[in-house]
Amino acid sequence: KQEVTQIPAALSVPEGENLVLNCSFTDSAIYNLQWFRQDPGKGLTSLLLIQSSQREQTSGRLNASLDKSSGRSTLYIAASQPGDSATYLCAVDNQAGTALIFGKGTTLSVSS
Amino acid sequence: EAQVTQNPRYLITVTGKKLTVTCSQNMNHEYMSWYRQDPGLGLRQIYYSMNVEVTDKGDVPEGYKVSRKEKRNFPLILESPSPNQTSLYFCASSSSAPHRGYTFGSGTRLTVV
Repeated sequence: KQEVTQIPAALSVPEGENLVLNCSFTDSAIYNLQWFRQDPGKGLTSLLLIQSSQREQTSGRLNASLDKSSGRSTLYIAASQPGDSATYLCAVDNQAGTALIFGKGTTLSVSS
Repeated sequence: EAQVTQNPRYLITVTGKKLTVTCSQNMNHEYMSWYRQDPGLGLRQIYYSMNVEVTDKGDVPEGYKVSRKEKRNFPLILESPSPNQTSLYFCASSSSAPHRGYTFGSGTRLTVV
């Protein structure tokens, strides 16, 4: 059964720092990996989608990489800002393509 | 604007009083799904639908019902809510293509007292 783990569970950094969030999954047979952002008590906003044939995707200050063979993905945030403070969730398709399997998230706090 | 719309956003109800949370998407997506999010447990799938009239159980279906009579709508029904169904609920949709992304609604915070 697919399991997704995110490390660290929480992270505090000063504004301007570059940072990396980690995601690992146990079964490499995935269709996609998707990174989401969630503000407290709010919905999930899709940040980046990496298809299984891709190695990375970029959007503005965000860059996500995917290494299927090792079961890992990283989300790189450049020049962090207080507005980046949120919980970041990593999710992969299950083998049947019928569900997203989520990690528990990394809660990021960026101080000014 | 492409979106998944859930209603209501907040709901407080009493044990045993039937309720429906609506979900609608305007992207002509075949796939729709419901998740609940609980502290320490993360997001877990309740039910999903691959297309009209096709629904199936996810990981935590007990106490819930769904229907998919139209492509755009996928309501979640709690026929006799209990306090352990207090949670944050999300509806999601996606196209049926293999390399697709998911779009989520804004969530419904349900409290059962």
